[in-house]
Amino acid sequence: DTGVSQNPRHKITKRGQNVTFRCDPISEHNRLYWYRQTLGQGPEFLTYFQNEAQLEKSRLLSDRFSAERPKGSFSTLEIQRTEQGDSAMYLCASSLTETRTTQYFGPGTRLLVL
Amino acid sequence: GEDVEQSLFLSVREGDSSVINCTYTDSSSTYLYWYKQEPGAGLQLLTYIFSNMDMKQDQRLTVLLNKKDKHLSLRIADTQTGDSAIYFCAEITWNNAGNMLTFGGGTRLMVKP
Repeated sequence: DTGVSQNPRHKITKRGQNVTFRCDPISEHNRLYWYRQTLGQGPEFLTYFQNEAQLEKSRLLSDRFSAERPKGSFSTLEIQRTEQGDSAMYLCASSLTETRTTQYFGPGTRLLVL
Repeated sequence: GEDVEQSLFLSVREGDSSVINCTYTDSSSTYLYWYKQEPGAGLQLLTYIFSNMDMKQDQRLTVLLNKKDKHLSLRIADTQTGDSAIYFCAEITWNNAGNMLTFGGGTRLMVKP
């Protein structure tokens, strides 16, 4: 059973550096979501893809953030010029179709910006 | 905007039942979910309920939905120490492009032996 996978699991970086995270969804899931979870809070929606099309972006997603899903399979989330406030757990989820909406989450990438 | 609310903390003794409560705001939500998160880990889907149901039972888990009051609860029977975790309720929120989950802040369940 291959669930959603994310890499790396942990990332420590210095303020101002760029970081990139990868998410591999459950195969054949055409929807892929990114959420951000800060300490002590519930996850907050960032963006989502249907196949390779990015259909929705939250206002939390500043212009330093960019997400791609070039072939409709894996996705990357890049943060440019990281700030200490970007420190969080970045969670990826996938779901099968528009009507089969249950989202399955990966283990997350924990980012610490020093 | 939407706001899903949960109590912060619940402590029970091993073998007792736990009841975690949640209130949501979007009356058009079609599905409501419960997820479990252990320290440093991602979210594990526990169960979900469709909005036209009042109750759903799945082994030790019972979900109750009161649509009139927009209240959702998760009951865990015979709570075990391995159930200690943070529990999140979430509602589906529909927008022009599709759907996203809106989560509560989580309830930390502590099970004492």
